[in-house]
Amino acid sequence: EDQVTQSPEALRLQEGESSSLNCSYTVSGLRGLFWYRQDPGKGPEFLFTLYSAGEEKEKERLKATLTKKESFLHITAPKPEDSATYLCAVQAARRYSTLTFGKGTMLLVSP
Amino acid sequence: NAGVTQTPKFQVLKTGQSMTLQCAQDMNHEYMSWYRQDPGMGLRLIHYSVGAGITDQGEVPNGYNVSRSTTEDFPLRLLSAAPSQTSVYFCASTLRTGGSEKLFFGSGTQLSVL
Repeated sequence: EDQVTQSPEALRLQEGESSSLNCSYTVSGLRGLFWYRQDPGKGPEFLFTLYSAGEEKEKERLKATLTKKESFLHITAPKPEDSATYLCAVQAARRYSTLTFGKGTMLLVSP
Repeated sequence: NAGVTQTPKFQVLKTGQSMTLQCAQDMNHEYMSWYRQDPGMGLRLIHYSVGAGITDQGEVPNGYNVSRSTTEDFPLRLLSAAPSQTSVYFCASTLRTGGSEKLFFGSGTQLSVL
């Protein structure tokens, strides 16, 4: 059974205080690992897909990395507008276009 | 640029009532799916479709039906609503390009079953 565990459940940062979110996974044949951002009352918004260990992707203050067992979402010098819930999900090689999600990390960045 | 459109945004049902959650996408994607999101739990897959006329069950399919008569529409039907189906429901549409996939989500339907 595919499993995704995200930590911490919640994280409070001061503006400019860099940190990382963790996503540990077990999956039978990883097709892709996804990061999404979700704002209250809205649907998840796509951030990154990572396909193989060692891969990294960046977007503004966010950087996602992938190993064979986990992924990290690094947030550099966050701003209050980065406050959201960040979701990690995996897609198994045998399951096209369907994802197994973690419970998410709720990030609050204070000015 | 509509993307994935879900209606209604909010719905209150009584136990035993039936209803249909609508989902439409204008991106000509073949793959569509339905997820539910509950507090303290990750999004869970209900049903998915790989094209018109083809559907399959996800992780939590009981109590729900789907059909896919067109590429654009993928409605989710609650046959006899139960309080356990109180949740936020998200429809997703998948863009597949080369070897990569990206799911686009609608804004959700918040359903309460009394």
